[in-house]
Amino acid sequence: GENVEQHPSTLSVQEGDSAVIKCTYSDSASNYFPWYKQELGKRPQLIIDIRSNVGEKKDQRIAVTLNKTAKHFSLHITETQPEDSAVYFCAAGGAGGGNKLTFGTGTQLKVEL
Amino acid sequence: EAQVTQNPRYLITVTGKKLTVTCSQNMNHEYMSWYRQDPGLGLRQIYYSMNVEVTDKGDVPEGYKVSRKEKRNFPLILESPSPNQTSLYFCASSWRGVSYEQYFGPGTRLTVT
Repeated sequence: GENVEQHPSTLSVQEGDSAVIKCTYSDSASNYFPWYKQELGKRPQLIIDIRSNVGEKKDQRIAVTLNKTAKHFSLHITETQPEDSAVYFCAAGGAGGGNKLTFGTGTQLKVEL
Repeated sequence: EAQVTQNPRYLITVTGKKLTVTCSQNMNHEYMSWYRQDPGLGLRQIYYSMNVEVTDKGDVPEGYKVSRKEKRNFPLILESPSPNQTSLYFCASSWRGVSYEQYFGPGTRLTVT
C-alpha cells in the first residue's frame, strides 16, 4: 500500500518569511496529492491539491510542486502570517493507488511575530 | 448549509461496551470514510465507502465495522472497544472518491477506559 512521509514535524518561521513542507510517497500509481490545514481544535480543511499531470499549482500565497520521478511533493507558503499557524497534512491516493487516501504525519507550523 | 455531522462529539466508555458513532452528510456525496487521528501518527483511514452497500477496509480496520445502507449515513461501530481505540475520529465525505475534496465532520473524541 501507499506510504507517505512528511517533514519536518515542526516548523517555526518569522512572520513574512516563507515556509516549505515536504512529503514523499511510495506508490507511483497514486495520482492525487492534497494538502489539508487543521487549526487547533478544528477539522482538517483542504487548502490546495495537485494531480499527477501537473507539476505546479498556485493559489495566492500557497503553492504546491510535484516531482513524479522522485515521488515527492512540497507545500510552499510565502509571506507567512500568524493565521497560517496550524498543522498541515499532505496526502496521496487515487487512480492506480485505489480508493484509499493516505496522510502524512503532519507538520506543526508556528508563525512568530 | 452543506455539512458533515457526527454524533456524539465526546464519548467516554468502558472496555467491551459496544458503541456506534454516527456520521451524516447532506451533500449527496458518493464517497464517505472514517479516519482516526492520534498524536504523531496523523490521520489514518479506517474504512471507506464508494456508495450504498459498497464498503472496504482502509489502513487500520481492525476492531471496527461500518455499514452504508443509505447514501447520507455512514456509522462507525466498535463492537468491543479497547483502550487502544481511544482517539479522535473524523468522518469525511466527497463527491466521488479520494481524488476530490474531502469534507470532514467536526470530530468525535472517544475515550475507552
